Amino acid sequence: QVQLVESGGGVVQPGRSLRLSCAASGFTFSKYGMHWVRQAPGKGLDWVAVISYDGSDKYYADSVKGRFTISRDNSKNTLFLQMNSLRVEDTAVYYCAIEGADSGDYYLAAEYFQYWGQGTLVTVSS
Amino acid sequence: EIVLTQSPATLSLSPGEGATLSCRASQSVTRFLAWYQQKPGQAPRLLIYDASNRATGIPARFSGSGSGTDFTLTISSLEPEDFAVYYCQQRSKWPLTFGGGTKVEIK
Repeated sequence: QVQLVESGGGVVQPGRSLRLSCAASGFTFSKYGMHWVRQAPGKGLDWVAVISYDGSDKYYADSVKGRFTISRDNSKNTLFLQMNSLRVEDTAVYYCAIEGADSGDYYLAAEYFQYWGQGTLVTVSS
Repeated sequence: EIVLTQSPATLSLSPGEGATLSCRASQSVTRFLAWYQQKPGQAPRLLIYDASNRATGIPARFSGSGSGTDFTLTISSLEPEDFAVYYCQQRSKWPLTFGGGTKVEIK
């Protein structure tokens, strides 16, 4: 079955860097766009970034543009999020998610999130 | 960016009652809207996509409607496992955005 496992979270000081990973299994990773979505403690969902199936296209939320970089290694079925110049307001659970929606009869390649990882907590604090 | 406003913020209902959740967009998203359910400590679960299509495994008591700027998620008869927070999300324009959520709590 589809499985996404995030890792790399932790406590980091403002201005420092952190790299998140998302290990994928149970599906053909190289065929799907992948996203990062975050959720600050007690708050709502906040889309962060997307990368196309082959890594050629990337989009970012304005709040992370220029600081975060999304990438993927299709040979290792792994998604990454390099987070630089971290701010207190970046504190959140970071989820990776597969792009698309599954009706049961077909899989729609659209910017929805059918499958999610369990999340990894990033805490930015001095 | 497109702002999604969900109402009410909290809905207090009893099991067996029906629930109506609203999501209003700051500009038209045509039908490119989804609904998610999230329980504490869990990742969100996709319920509805493209305004009215149920995702795989979602019970028929969940239905979505609307187009343009006004959307509704209806739960026909609340089961105990339906008490959770619900979010809407649009994919009409970048950046993708979510609503602030509606908490459905037990009365």
